[in-house]
Amino acid sequence: DIQMTQSPSSLPASVGDIVKITCRASDNVYTDLNWYQQQPGKAPKLLIYGASTLQSGVPPRFSGSGSGTDFTLTISRLQPEDFATYYCQQSYTTPYTFGQGTSLDIK
Amino acid sequence: QVQLQQWGAGLLKPSETLSLNCVVYGDSFSDSYWSWIRQSPGKGLEWIGEINHFGTTNYNPSLKSRVTISLDKSKSQFSLRLSSVAAADTAVYYCARMKLTGVVNPIAYFDPWGQGTLVTVSS
Repeated sequence: DIQMTQSPSSLPASVGDIVKITCRASDNVYTDLNWYQQQPGKAPKLLIYGASTLQSGVPPRFSGSGSGTDFTLTISRLQPEDFATYYCQQSYTTPYTFGQGTSLDIK
Repeated sequence: QVQLQQWGAGLLKPSETLSLNCVVYGDSFSDSYWSWIRQSPGKGLEWIGEINHFGTTNYNPSLKSRVTISLDKSKSQFSLRLSSVAAADTAVYYCARMKLTGVVNPIAYFDPWGQGTLVTVSS
């Protein structure tokens, strides 16, 4: 299985900050990498697919980059509704696997 | 707009069989795979398996011996059965569409998701 490792696991931040979350794959997944946001008690919501394509309706302050094994999710000008947990997921090969999550917390 | 709504028993005893259903609104089942994913505090998000409109399935090897995913296109539903459950199977279970976009190099992602069902295994 391809292991997905996110860092950090927890990230304190303030409204207006720029934050970066990284995701590393244990093997090359090319650009088959997706990012999700999960609010407490809710299902994950797709933010970015194909490493860098913004899902329709997602604010442009979210962006993704990377290829191969190293990926980054950047959130610019943090808004109150952005405090949530973020997951990366590889769709290159089954079994599809997720990172362990990064909790974005209010500082 | 595609929506998924899921339901099933939320409390099971060890060795029983978990059974969940997911109905799809707004999609014809083609061009997508239909997946089950679970989330537990100990193991995070774990993909269980998928089925396409031909009925072709793929399962996570870690669960393959106990999992069956089936499809009923007449009801726009797909289902999950997980046999011989134990406490380690306690989790929130989600159904989700794996959308495939693009022709030459298709990109796949989970969207949308069902609302989730908490399944607790306890004697």
